[in-house]
Amino acid sequence: QKEVEQNSGPLSVPEGAIASLNCTYSDRGSQSFFWYRQYSGKSPELIMFIYSNGDKEDGRFTAQLNKASQYVSLLIRDSQPSDSATYLCASAPRFGAGTRLTVKP
Amino acid sequence: EPEVTQTPSHQVTQMGQEVILRCVPISNHLYFYWYRQILGQKVEFLVSFYNNEISEKSEIFDDQFSVERPDGSNFTLKIRSTKLEDSAMYFCASSDSHNYGYTFGSGTRLTVV
Repeated sequence: QKEVEQNSGPLSVPEGAIASLNCTYSDRGSQSFFWYRQYSGKSPELIMFIYSNGDKEDGRFTAQLNKASQYVSLLIRDSQPSDSATYLCASAPRFGAGTRLTVKP
Repeated sequence: EPEVTQTPSHQVTQMGQEVILRCVPISNHLYFYWYRQILGQKVEFLVSFYNNEISEKSEIFDDQFSVERPDGSNFTLKIRSTKLEDSAMYFCASSDSHNYGYTFGSGTRLTVV
């Protein structure tokens, strides 16, 4: 069974703080990993993709991949209230259950 | 910004009826996917489609489901005999590469009564 596991949260951080989201996956053959954001009632939107071990930065977002540990993470720096959403980790093509993030002003 | 278009946005059907959900992927994309999301639950993978054939399917995608690319632009999901538990939001997604992430459509909310 190919599984993607995320802490369901909810995770609450103050505005300006770093939010840390984590994910593990079971399929050792998986090559591509994605982070999506989903606002309530909306479709998922892609934040970042990563397929090489290490870190990948895009603005306030940093994705980290460790294939040996089968672990993917997402850091959101300088969190804003508009970042409040459910964050979905994917080990392509499967998604985790999501972590609900709330950023408090 | 190119987008994935899904129609209808909402469909109500009677239990046992067949439904076809329609998607127009982004024009230069080669990989196509269907997902479903039961209200309040996770996004569940149903099927992926590449080069005019199914490349992977989940355990959810049983004989009740089928997919088709009837022409160069549309991608459809058919549910042959709907059950109450098929009520969900169905998302279509497409990608130009398996590695670079998928673009999702806005979804079709299917209600089976």
